[in-house]
Amino acid sequence: GIQVEQSPPDLILQEGANSTLRCNFSDSVNNLQWFHQNPWGQLINLFYIPSGTKQNGRLSATTVATERYSLLYISSSQTTDSGVYFCAVVDSGNTPLVFGKGTRLSVIA
Amino acid sequence: GAVVSQHPSRVICKSGTSVKIECRSLDFQATTMFWYRQFPKQSLMLMATSNEGSKATYEQGVEKDKFLINHASLTLSTLTVTSAHPEDSSFYICSARTVRGSYNEQFFGPGTRLTVL
Repeated sequence: GIQVEQSPPDLILQEGANSTLRCNFSDSVNNLQWFHQNPWGQLINLFYIPSGTKQNGRLSATTVATERYSLLYISSSQTTDSGVYFCAVVDSGNTPLVFGKGTRLSVIA
Repeated sequence: GAVVSQHPSRVICKSGTSVKIECRSLDFQATTMFWYRQFPKQSLMLMATSNEGSKATYEQGVEKDKFLINHASLTLSTLTVTSAHPEDSSFYICSARTVRGSYNEQFFGPGTRLTVL
């Protein structure tokens, strides 16, 4: 099956710093989503982005499908951005999302 | 975005009892729902895919007789952990998919933390 690799696995930032999280996948995809899992376990949808670029406030994402990677940008980070960021993909049809191992982000004041 | 609810959020039970977890899509119809399991500091692992009106498809290594899934309607799927044991303690998360043409985004419930004593 499709493989999803995220980097870095852990990241510590000073409040106000910017960061880039990366997601590589091993095959073509027809769906790619980024999530933030908060400390209570809730997965929050950040982006549905099988290709192209999207922005939402301080967050933006870019997926280059032909090169099989996606990037999540966090600008001016805040302590509330802390948590785990997951990238997940669907390779074909109605198959479920396959998750990467996540990037654990800690933003310190 | 679409909303998925899950109930209960937390359950503690004795070994040998059965626990039912409900997952509902509140503002959309979901022909397909998914059940995931997450251990501490790990990623989500797919347990099964549930299609409305048909039997669930289980991932390799997931016991179908232990984890009973029923997708009774387009807005409700249930997971029953039968004869639960301490090793079944985990965080269970359901997901529902909206499908509009080629758009197929998945939304997740808040999860159920199961502790089996």
